[in-house]
Amino acid sequence: EPEVTQTPSHQVTQMGQEVILRCVPISNHLYFYWYRQILGQKVEFLVSFYNNEISEKSEIFDDQFSVERPDGSNFTLKIRSTKLEDSAMYFCASRGGKPGREAFFGQGTRLTVV
Amino acid sequence: EDQVTQSPEALRLQEGESSSLNCSYTVSGLRGLFWYRQDPGKGPEFLFTLYSAGEEKEKERLKATLTKKESFLHITAPKPEDSATYLCAVQAVEGGSNYKLTFGKGTLLTVNP
Repeated sequence: EPEVTQTPSHQVTQMGQEVILRCVPISNHLYFYWYRQILGQKVEFLVSFYNNEISEKSEIFDDQFSVERPDGSNFTLKIRSTKLEDSAMYFCASRGGKPGREAFFGQGTRLTVV
Repeated sequence: EDQVTQSPEALRLQEGESSSLNCSYTVSGLRGLFWYRQDPGKGPEFLFTLYSAGEEKEKERLKATLTKKESFLHITAPKPEDSATYLCAVQAVEGGSNYKLTFGKGTLLTVNP
């Protein structure tokens, strides 16, 4: 069964360092997303990506965040200068082309900023 | 702004004791309502999509229903392996082509043997 794959599963980084979270979406999907979940809180939308560009971003997704689809399979989230409050689970999701279709999520990357 | 409220926050059941989880939503126009299951430290796992009031979907011991203001996830004769956090999310028509999801906080279900 196709699945969304995320690496690494856990990343520890020093405050101020750059991190790149990686995702391999389901191969025939067209829409890609990053969500995050701070411990004990709800899953929050960060950014959506379609046709090689950002289609929407939330208030959380400020200038320190960027996304990229460098080739036909990978989708990355970069945080340029991490802050303590960036510590969270980051989930990548992908979705097929039809409106209303469900999104499938990866297992997440737990980012810990120390 | 789209809002999703789930209740109760936590629910503890005995094996075999049926119950329901509630998801109330406020959205400008509903494109779809989604139920996901989330195990600790894992990503949300898709369960159901509901599109219009009156619609019902079933999968094993789970049944999801939808009205114009809320959705219910009914759990019949639950087993310990049904223990998880159940998340409700909405997708709004006015979200354009982004189809992003707005999630509730979830209901933590614990089923004791």
